[in-house]
Amino acid sequence: GENVEQHPSTLSVQEGDSAVIKCTYSDSASNYFPWYKQELGKGPQLIIDIRSNVGEKKDQRIAVTLNKTAKHFSLHITETQPEDSAVYFCAASSAGKSTFGDGTTLTVKP
Amino acid sequence: DSGVTQTPKHLITATGQRVTLRCSPRSGDLSVYWYQQSLDQGLQFLIQYYNGEERAKGNILERFSAQQFPDLHSELNLSSLELGDSALYFCASSGTAAAAYGYTFGSGTRLTVV
Repeated sequence: GENVEQHPSTLSVQEGDSAVIKCTYSDSASNYFPWYKQELGKGPQLIIDIRSNVGEKKDQRIAVTLNKTAKHFSLHITETQPEDSAVYFCAASSAGKSTFGDGTTLTVKP
Repeated sequence: DSGVTQTPKHLITATGQRVTLRCSPRSGDLSVYWYQQSLDQGLQFLIQYYNGEERAKGNILERFSAQQFPDLHSELNLSSLELGDSALYFCASSGTAAAAYGYTFGSGTRLTVV
């Protein structure tokens, strides 16, 4: 089955700096890669996604890149703000289900 | 409010007992997914239902079972509970059977087995 590895497990940045979270996947059949943000006491919320026919996608301060050959994808957050502090999960989807990485706890220090 | 409703929010029960977790998907969504979130294991996929039929199965224990009813709500039944079953259980929904679109997650049920 699919295996998704996510790094780093924790990330601390100063407000205004950029944050990058990286994931690798194993199943070449995976074709959809969503990212979720989970705030304390809440369920994960989809923040951005990318499909296997696209190399990069941006939405304001958030961008995701995908390298299908290397089977890795990354989340980039620019101009970080304290409200970006949360746990971020990547996922790789195929055959009807999403496999999640173990999460990255991002802390943005004011 | 995400539109996915999970009840109860918290559940405390003893080892050996059986509990039922309930999920109502977002209006119009036909797929329901169940995930278990433990402190050290991230989000583990348990099972998926689409329009009443089981579509995909993950690492779901034999002590656990689920079903999706004609009104599309779903229930996850956990029996012979063990201390290690303590976790957050999330339900998510989507409009399709394939995991080709993002999920909408509920706020979870926190299960504590004592």
